[in-house]
Amino acid sequence: GQQVMQIPQYQHVQEGEDFTTYCNSSTTLSNIQWYKQRPGGHPVFLIQLVKSGEVKKQKRLTFQFGEAKKNSSLHITATQTTDVGTYFCACKETSGSRLTFGEGTQLTVNP
Amino acid sequence: KAGVTQTPRYLIKTRGQQVTLSCSPISGHRSVSWYQQTPGQGLQFLFEYFSETQRNKGNFPGRFSGRQFSNSRSEMNVSTLELGDSALYLCASSLGGGTAETQYFGPGTRLLVL
Repeated sequence: GQQVMQIPQYQHVQEGEDFTTYCNSSTTLSNIQWYKQRPGGHPVFLIQLVKSGEVKKQKRLTFQFGEAKKNSSLHITATQTTDVGTYFCACKETSGSRLTFGEGTQLTVNP
Repeated sequence: KAGVTQTPRYLIKTRGQQVTLSCSPISGHRSVSWYQQTPGQGLQFLFEYFSETQRNKGNFPGRFSGRQFSNSRSEMNVSTLELGDSALYLCASSLGGGTAETQYFGPGTRLLVL
């Protein structure tokens, strides 16, 4: 079956530093979604990527889909304490019909 | 629109008991998926229901079952509870018609098995 790996599992940064999390799938994807879960909360949809090589930006967040559609990254510029939480990628295979979530990257930001 | 609601929010059970969790999707959403979340394990997919039919199933034992009603509300049942079933159970709804849909998560039910 499909394997989804996210790295790193944990990341501690000082406020103002940049942060990147990577998501890798063992199979080619039709699309990938990113979610954020604040401590004590539930996952909230951030964005969806569909096209090979696609790059999307949301303020300080930059999302990228790999050319081979098997990996993706989320980059946060100049982190803030409000960025604290766990970031999950959710992958949909080209041949499947459901999303497979990565294990998430837990981000802590020291003020 | 009201969001996804889950009841109860917290639950304490003992080993061997059974539990039923409920999920009401966003109005108009026909797909409901269930996930188990434990520390360090991410979100493990349990099953998905669409139009009262189970459309996808994860790799969980038969003790975990679910159903969906005609109004799209869904229930999940866990029988013969084990200590390892302690987790946050999340349901997520989506429109259900496409292959690239956003999942809208509820607040979850936190289950503790003693």
